[in-house]
Amino acid sequence: DVKVTQSSRYLVKRTGEKVFLECVQDMDHENMFWYRQDPGLGLRLIYFSYDVKMKEKGDIPEGYSVSREKKERFSLILESASTNQTSMYLCASTGWRECHFGPGTRLTVT
Amino acid sequence: AQSVTQLGSHVSVSEGALVLLRCNYSSSVPPYLFWYVQYPNQGLQLLLKYTSAATLVKGINGFEAEFKKSETSFHLTKPSAHMSDAAEYFCAVSDRNQAGTALIFGKGTTLSVSS
Repeated sequence: DVKVTQSSRYLVKRTGEKVFLECVQDMDHENMFWYRQDPGLGLRLIYFSYDVKMKEKGDIPEGYSVSREKKERFSLILESASTNQTSMYLCASTGWRECHFGPGTRLTVT
Repeated sequence: AQSVTQLGSHVSVSEGALVLLRCNYSSSVPPYLFWYVQYPNQGLQLLLKYTSAATLVKGINGFEAEFKKSETSFHLTKPSAHMSDAAEYFCAVSDRNQAGTALIFGKGTTLSVSS
């Protein structure tokens, strides 16, 4: 019953490293999203994509980029990781009236 | 712009007591509304959703929520709390006129259940 998977549950990276977070969905959804979750702030939208090779900035895109080369895969890229990007990252995909989340990746940048 | 406000970042109840988690939305037209639950170290799981059918929506694990347009509210309730209900709960809204748009989340409410 797997719907949305994320490449890692836990990740530790050093400041300045380039980081790739991968998300794959098996529901043939066109829309995919990346959120970050921080205590007291809820979920904040980083980037989203309505179609292959299309991307739109969310509320907090600074320091991030994304890639969507295939419909089922949506990657979040931290070009040069910083300590303030330590967070839980959640991927989601949506179809008509439904939204499914992946299990999340807890990223620590030291 | 749409927004969601969850009143109370932390709610504590005794086992067997009523659970009430409050959510108010701001939208120019009635949106789609959702409640998600997150257990420790896990992703978000959909509890229930309102998409313009019945205003009283029943979800999983005995939870339900009522859409009240006049109050712009979508509060989550459960008649009798169980220890396993301890988790973080998020209310979310999306634009009904744009299928598949991003959900806008509240800041979450942590539910604690004591024996």
